[in-house]
This record gives sequence, structure tokens and C-alpha cells, in this order.
Amino acid sequence: ILNVEQSPQSLHVQEGDSTNFTCSFPSSNFYALHWYRWETAKSPEALFVMTLNGDEKKKGRISATLNTKEGYSYLYIKGSQPEDSATYLCASTSYGQNFVFGPGTRLSVLP
Amino acid sequence: KAGVTQTPRYLIKTRGQQVTLSCSPISGHRSVSWYQQTPGQGLQFLFEYFSETQRNKGNFPGRFSGRQFSNSRSEMNVSTLELGDSALYLCASSSGTDLAKNIQYFGAGTRLSVL
Repeated sequence: ILNVEQSPQSLHVQEGDSTNFTCSFPSSNFYALHWYRWETAKSPEALFVMTLNGDEKKKGRISATLNTKEGYSYLYIKGSQPEDSATYLCASTSYGQNFVFGPGTRLSVLP
Repeated sequence: KAGVTQTPRYLIKTRGQQVTLSCSPISGHRSVSWYQQTPGQGLQFLFEYFSETQRNKGNFPGRFSGRQFSNSRSEMNVSTLELGDSALYLCASSSGTDLAKNIQYFGAGTRLSVL
């Protein structure tokens, strides 16, 4: 069974700061990694689906990288805004396994 | 295009009862997955249905079951409710045949409280 970890557990940054957090997952038989943003009282929203080692994906001010050999992915937010406040979840799956979600990183952006 | 719709939004049940939750996916999506969110365990995968067949199943007891209809709508049933079943239940739909490589679109969830 996969064990997906995320760090830090929570983070407070000032508006305009750039920030990043980590998702760690077992690297053996890696198949895919998903990043989600989950705002309070809303549904989780998919940010990225990543499958290849070295993948880099970008969506506006948010980007993500993937290292499948060492089992980690970074999510970066450039110039954080209050509307970026949310819990960021990653979910990983290996061949023949179901999705396993990490516990999330709760980001608060202070104006 | 309408999003994923879950009904009801809130439910209160007592121990021993059973409950059925409903999920209508985005039009054209054939995959529906169910997840349980609890404060202690985080978001956990329950099962996935694709074209009326259960394709994947998480590590939950047999009290948790589901089905999918020909229009891709899905229901999840929990029998003999326990206090620990109190949670937010989310469903997500996806368009592709490979769940792992396709974006999932989540509904707003059904919050179940078991008293």
C-alpha cells in the first residue's frame, strides 16, 4: 500500500510571496500523480496530472515538477494571492494500485 | 456543461440504518469514483465504476457498495451504519478510460452524520 506524504502540513505566507510544498510517494512502479486544490466549502479542483519523470506543468502562477526516480513532486505558487488560500492535495498511484491521497498542505495567504 | 451533482448534500442517520447516496457525473463521463473524507484519515478511495462495472475497489468493508446505471449515474450504499462512517463522501467523474491519467471532476459532496 502506498504511503503519500506532504510537507509542510500548513503554511502561512504574505500576499506576494512565492511558496512551494512537497509531495513524497513511493517511487517503485510509479504510474501517475495528481495535484488538487481544495478551497473551503468547495469541491476539490484538479490542477495537474503528471506521469513522466521530469514533467513540469504550469497553470497561471502555479507550477509543478515531478521526479519519479526519487519519489517527489514540488508545487510552486508564484506571487501568492489571498484566493490561493486552500488545501493542496496530491494523490499518487502505482501500477495495479488505487489512488492514495496525501494529507494535504493547508496554505493561508495573508493580505 | 453541468458539473458533478451529488444528492443529498446532508444526511443524518442513526447507527444500524442504511443510506444511499447519489452522484450524477458530467455528461459524457463514464467513470465515477467515490471517496470518503474524514478528519483522521484524510481522503480515501472507495471504488470506481466504469460503464456499469466496478473497476477498482479500495480497502473498505463490504458494508460499502455501489452501482452505476446505464446513464452513468452512480449510487453508493452503506449498510448497518457505524459512528465511524460519519464523513464527507465525494464522488468524481472522469472522461477517459484510464482513471489514473485523466482529470477527475469532483462534486460538492454529501456530508453524512451517524448518531
